[in-house]
Amino acid sequence: AQRVTQPEKLLSVFKGAPVELKCNYSYSGSPELFWYVQYSRQRLQLLLRHISRESIKGFTADLNKGETSFHLKKPFAQEEDSAMYYCALSDGNAGNMLTFGGGTRLMVKP
Amino acid sequence: KAGVTQTPRYLIKTRGQQVTLSCSPISGHRSVSWYQQTPGQGLQFLFEYFSETQRNKGNFPGRFSGRQFSNSRSEMNVSTLELGDSALYLCASSPYNRGPEQFFGPGTRLTVL
Repeated sequence: AQRVTQPEKLLSVFKGAPVELKCNYSYSGSPELFWYVQYSRQRLQLLLRHISRESIKGFTADLNKGETSFHLKKPFAQEEDSAMYYCALSDGNAGNMLTFGGGTRLMVKP
Repeated sequence: KAGVTQTPRYLIKTRGQQVTLSCSPISGHRSVSWYQQTPGQGLQFLFEYFSETQRNKGNFPGRFSGRQFSNSRSEMNVSTLELGDSALYLCASSPYNRGPEQFFGPGTRLTVL
């Protein structure tokens, strides 16, 4: 069965510092990986997906199949980045089912 | 386009009762998924419906059921409520040709007393 692990429940950084939110997964096939974000009082929304290879709001994530990781990075954190971040996996063969990690709360201090 | 809507937004029930939650997907989306979110277990997949058929089911007891109508609107039902069913229930819709990217609703907060 697939599993997604986000080892940090809380990550606190100062504005302008680099950010890395860790995500590790276990799945034997070729998964599709996502990062979802939930800002305060807003609904859960897609931040980025690995197949698009794009940068959204300065965030990037690279799928490392050897280390089974999909870490989210941003070189310079902004206060508006403070939110709950979830890593999610889809196995591509089970419809639209997503397996989520436990989430990491990012706090960016001024 | 209007986003995913869920009704009601808040519910309070007592143990043993049953509850029905409703979800209206984004227009044109044919896939609707349901998730349960709790502080202890996080986000857990309940089931997915596509064109009125259940396509996937998570590891939840049979007390949790759902259905989808011809207009893609979906309902989920929980019978014989338990205290542990208290959670935020999220509905998400997806267009068929976009793969598993999900668009989430605001959720229904269910409290079981």
